[in-house]
Amino acid sequence: KAGVTQTPRYLIKTRGQQVTLSCSPISGHRSVSWYQQTPGQGLQFLFEYFSETQRNKGNFPGRFSGRQFSNSRSEMNVSTLELGDSALYLCASSWGGAISNTEAFFGQGTRLTVV
Amino acid sequence: SQKIEQNSEALNIQEGKTATLTCNYTNYSPAYLQWYRQDPGRGPVFLLLIRENEKEKRKERLKVTFDTTLKQSLFHITASQPADSATYLCALDPTGFQKLVFGTGTRLLVSP
Repeated sequence: KAGVTQTPRYLIKTRGQQVTLSCSPISGHRSVSWYQQTPGQGLQFLFEYFSETQRNKGNFPGRFSGRQFSNSRSEMNVSTLELGDSALYLCASSWGGAISNTEAFFGQGTRLTVV
Repeated sequence: SQKIEQNSEALNIQEGKTATLTCNYTNYSPAYLQWYRQDPGRGPVFLLLIRENEKEKRKERLKVTFDTTLKQSLFHITASQPADSATYLCALDPTGFQKLVFGTGTRLLVSP
């Protein structure tokens, strides 16, 4: 079955702009999580959605937001971009559920460069 | 404070040897721990999950142990191959709701 698809793969934006990244999870998966990966901070959790509801949020400013649609597809938005937002943004899908001890399947990521 | 620590220095080993990677955590009581492999520019790939009531788990050449008393997990690759060269990440989920907290990762280099 198809894996997690993230679009676009690469983005270059200017400081102050906003950006929207998209993630299509594996069919049947209802949980979508977003992570930011940078050389200095590693992989950091942004937020997680399950059945269109945000269940968890990481320690990121309000400029980072997301949503999930009824088909489980998810988008994340970053407004007023800063140079420090340059990173690999990864989306992960999993079955989800009330308490889910299952693995996460990651997409290839979107490489965002802010200039 | 809560921390997950992995060896930040790269681990260099020769082909055919066993690689052992360490993951230590503090101020967490995870019900399970996961290991992922990540190649440059790509997303992490799930390898193994071990639960708190499991001491050891195996999958082909991979073996993971989980010691909740020591707060440590060890990840072993036996008969290592150059294709095993990658960064290996351990992760735990303190909430049980897919909020994975990752270690910094250890880069493994297997030379022929």
